Amino acid sequence: SAVISQKPSRDICQRGTSLTIQCQVDSQVTMMFWYRQQPGQSLTLIATANQGSEATYESGFVIDKFPISRPNLTFSTLTVSNMSPEDSSIYLCSLSGGTGSTDTQYFGPGTRLTVL
Amino acid sequence: GENVEQHPSTLSVQEGDSAVIKCTYSDSASNYFPWYKQELGKRPQLIIDIRSNVGEKKDQRIAVTLNKTAKHFSLHITETQPEDSAVYFCAASANNDMRFGAGTRLTVKP
Repeated sequence: SAVISQKPSRDICQRGTSLTIQCQVDSQVTMMFWYRQQPGQSLTLIATANQGSEATYESGFVIDKFPISRPNLTFSTLTVSNMSPEDSSIYLCSLSGGTGSTDTQYFGPGTRLTVL
Repeated sequence: GENVEQHPSTLSVQEGDSAVIKCTYSDSASNYFPWYKQELGKRPQLIIDIRSNVGEKKDQRIAVTLNKTAKHFSLHITETQPEDSAVYFCAASANNDMRFGAGTRLTVKP
């Protein structure tokens, strides 16, 4: 299966600042997604990162707060803007449509964000 | 949209016993049901999945069953070992729209 990396693996940020998280895959994949996992909670889909067009956001998530880019089939970024302590969470990218089945999702290692 | 419910939220078993985790889903269009295992500080890892055209699937000590009519599916782990201790998430997916259950924290006591 594809190798997925995320940068940074963790960060501590001040409120009001922004952080961009990168997700890199070692092969072309059809679909890329961004999830949030708050401490002790399940996985919540933020958006689907569409290659060459605007991301598709889930209810409760907006582009101004979580701008997403996907310039090609192997890379995506998620920015957490104007952060507050409530944004402290693990952010994970996932992908599907690689060499495996079209709907099986595989997760990156995650980025642990703490906002002070 | 899809709503996935998962029970129990915590499960404690003795090593060697079986563990069963159950999920229900609401969207009849869902046709793919994966299970993920997440160890502390790690990413969710796919352990088994089942599609709507199959009623049961087994892989060594783990098995998943699906009842499409009742819209529920279950994970069965036999002969549990301490390394099975983790949080397990079920999910239901239709056209790559995947929704997760709340998770089950499984503890296997040696």
